[in-house]
Amino acid sequence: QSVLTQPPSASGTPGQRVTISCSGSSSNIGSNTVNWYQHLPGTAPKLLIYSNNQRPSGVPDRFSGSKSGTSASLAISGLQSEDEADYYCAAWDDSLNGHVVFGGGTKLTVL
Amino acid sequence: EVQLLESGGGLVQPGGSLRLSCAASGFTFSSYALSWVRQAPGKGLEWVSTINLPGTTTYYAGSVKGRFTISRDNSKNTLYLQMDSLRAEDTALYYCARPKGQYQLMPWIAWGQGTLVTVSS
Repeated sequence: QSVLTQPPSASGTPGQRVTISCSGSSSNIGSNTVNWYQHLPGTAPKLLIYSNNQRPSGVPDRFSGSKSGTSASLAISGLQSEDEADYYCAAWDDSLNGHVVFGGGTKLTVL
Repeated sequence: EVQLLESGGGLVQPGGSLRLSCAASGFTFSSYALSWVRQAPGKGLEWVSTINLPGTTTYYAGSVKGRFTISRDNSKNTLYLQMDSLRAEDTALYYCARPKGQYQLMPWIAWGQGTLVTVSS
């Protein structure tokens, strides 16, 4: 059971907007920034959003992130078939002398 | 170009040991903290361990603390993960990862392709 809670699945049709939620607590999301990763199993994960809402160079502006209190969200607008992947939120957790926590991952299906 | 190349994975019996390596190139190795992240078959990403720049501070997931040891050799641009007392649940693809900024622990912008560890009798 993951420390950060994500829905196991999400779906949308091409062109739609989809959001994925990530719920945590005061020791992780409540006091640290959230990062989002896109992952196709067997390949290297890709950093999609960092510091809650910043996009690394090369990530399309269709991807956006937000955070409020102990929850965060990833939004994907103008959904494309190549967006079909697993998405993970992650954050530093200040408890237990510091460690990283991940969400369980959300499998996004483009219908 | 930043490159991270993991090696050392393989098949090991429960209770056995394995040492993973991550050879880095394309950046100033000693200026970045480094981490290991794994993915068990059919499971999500799981953080394993992080080490700071000089290698003086280490962090471990509760599931591996006391069994795994992270270290680095800045003269060889190489990160290591010594894995002892291996269990079936340690079976996973192990990635090494580098953060976006110097002197940061996260977020990880550079990843290797992973090395597979299988713990089975």
